[in-house]
Amino acid sequence: SAVISQKPSRDICQRGTSLTIQCQVDSQVTMMFWYRQQPGQSLTLIATANQGSEATYESGFVIDKFPISRPNLTFSTLTVSNMSPEDSSIYLCSVERDYGAHEQFFGPGTRLTVL
Amino acid sequence: ELKVEQNPLFLSMQEGKNYTIYCNYSTTSDRLYWYRQDPGKSLESLFVLLSNGAVKQEGRLMASLDTKARLSTLHITAAVHDLSATYFCAVDPLSSSNTGKLIFGQGTTLQVKP
Repeated sequence: SAVISQKPSRDICQRGTSLTIQCQVDSQVTMMFWYRQQPGQSLTLIATANQGSEATYESGFVIDKFPISRPNLTFSTLTVSNMSPEDSSIYLCSVERDYGAHEQFFGPGTRLTVL
Repeated sequence: ELKVEQNPLFLSMQEGKNYTIYCNYSTTSDRLYWYRQDPGKSLESLFVLLSNGAVKQEGRLMASLDTKARLSTLHITAAVHDLSATYFCAVDPLSSSNTGKLIFGQGTTLQVKP
């Protein structure tokens, strides 16, 4: 498996502000992803974080709202910009560590509440 | 648009009983995942099924994949309270390209009563 940490684990933010979430993996991985889990819901993929290039966003998610960085093969950040209460969710990063096994592991998540 | 549908969405069962959770998906895929999520926790990987007819077992849980029917099942044998959690299936709709993107089902919340 992969050891994945996220910071912060939770935060309460004011409307209109931005929060940057960090995801750190214990070893180099090719693929990193960011998901959102709204309260009581399933997970929805936000984007694929590409190392050295711009992230690939899914339908309904845009770079201006969710800028992503991936400076190296072990680290990525997701920023939730200009937050509104609708952004209150758990944000999870995931990695596909072993290309052959195709197994994806998830970080512990960041629980965001926007007031 | 790819859809992944689980049923039931909620399952309350007695300890010792058997039950099956179903996961149907609407497009071709040969890569299906099962995860467990405990309240307030992240996702724990249970199974990765990579081919038609794949069957994997771990303890009281057994998962299978029928790519022709676009169906996966998660069978619970002799349930115990510790299995109470939410179970998600997820499909990689572009598995041949290895994009790694996963589309999740709605989740099945399992409650095992003593």
